[in-house]
Amino acid sequence: SQQGEEDPQALSIQEGENATMNCSYKTSINNLQWYRQNSGRGLVHLILIRSNEREKHSGRLRVTLDTSKKSSSLLITASRAADTASYFCATDVGGAQKLVFGQGTRLTINP
Amino acid sequence: DAGVIQSPRHEVTEMGQEVTLRCKPISGHDYLFWYRQTMMRGLELLIYFNNNVPIDDSGMPEDRFSAKMPNASFSTLKIQPSEPRDSAVYFCASSFPNEQFFGPGTRLTVL
Repeated sequence: SQQGEEDPQALSIQEGENATMNCSYKTSINNLQWYRQNSGRGLVHLILIRSNEREKHSGRLRVTLDTSKKSSSLLITASRAADTASYFCATDVGGAQKLVFGQGTRLTINP
Repeated sequence: DAGVIQSPRHEVTEMGQEVTLRCKPISGHDYLFWYRQTMMRGLELLIYFNNNVPIDDSGMPEDRFSAKMPNASFSTLKIQPSEPRDSAVYFCASSFPNEQFFGPGTRLTVL
């Protein structure tokens, strides 16, 4: 099964609203990353949060990490149509450079 | 930098044919990854290299798949012979370290 599993699988909201996506994982990690994938494109790195961090911000993105619950959330504030994409969490495996990606959340922002 | 470059962008071939996918990582990145993405299985890591040396090929599905990295600026993923179930988008990514930069992918269709 996937190391990282996103929830929900799909999310549709109105432009301007906030979007929250969750990720759960199974084993200990050194860091967790979030990526975005626009249709027909490669993945783009958004943010990395280390296991000793609880929250991190980057522009309209806020990521939280709860290692006790083995979960993370990605919040996109004031969503825009351009945020329409799939979002993936990825966890390192045993501290190696190897990442395991979840199945992703498909986010649709309606104008 | 032009980012990770992959070729071809699209490949249509017939079952039994040999397919070679190519990747040029970002200069200075010492890790290179090959992924496969399908609707059913999501994003799967096939193999990754560090300083041109294969580190983990446990994701390579069968002996029909092989990957090489003869130098720091070039890698190939070969499928021989190809089968319809190999149809997918194949991504190459490079990193230094942690954050991975993905290429645009090669969409492979095996008829």
